[in-house]
Amino acid sequence: AQSVAQPEDQVNVAEGNPLTVKCTYSVSGNPYLFWYVQYPNRGLQFLLKYITGDNLVKGSYGFEAEFNKSQTSFHLKKPSALVSDSALYFCAVRSTGRRALTFGSGTRLQVQP
Amino acid sequence: SAVISQKPSRDICQRGTSLTIQCQVDSQVTMMFWYRQQPGQSLTLIATANQGSEATYESGFVIDKFPISRPNLTFSTLTVSNMSPEDSSIYLCSVAYTTNTGELFFGEGSRLTVL
Repeated sequence: AQSVAQPEDQVNVAEGNPLTVKCTYSVSGNPYLFWYVQYPNRGLQFLLKYITGDNLVKGSYGFEAEFNKSQTSFHLKKPSALVSDSALYFCAVRSTGRRALTFGSGTRLQVQP
Repeated sequence: SAVISQKPSRDICQRGTSLTIQCQVDSQVTMMFWYRQQPGQSLTLIATANQGSEATYESGFVIDKFPISRPNLTFSTLTVSNMSPEDSSIYLCSVAYTTNTGELFFGEGSRLTVL
């Protein structure tokens, strides 16, 4: 079985400050990890993924995420938040034997001007 | 990335009726999935749509309630049968490509409200 936990329902950050959205996972074997963003009344947009290689992966819109195997975490980060980053963020995982993704509960990011 | 079109984008339906959602992709894909996102909730996988054969359903979802078709590599439908207010959700089509190393691409979803 595979699962994802996003411990924060909401994260508030001031514009220009760094942001972190937390994600931990549980999966059998090597994990494939993903972050998606959902804007109001829109589908999910892919941000970044970790498959193998460098633990720090860079993605769209200046986002990056750090894979930590010992802590089974894949936290999403951005050095300087924008008001336009305000949205719902989902972490997702899959194992090598499964093609569909399992999603976390989502974290609402609110960036204040 | 894929262009995934879903129809309808939204609908208001009466209890006891059925609605079919269409998903059209602009190129051939290896796998298609249907997810449900209930209000304020995360995404839950309903089933994998298999081309030319019966869909593979996740625990808690059954073919009689959510019949799925996938006649070719670019098109799939999901029917929500005998709807109740609890079926009010966003239904999302998702695809994976042959050479894709992991991520899924999503349509913009079909928002159903059942009265």
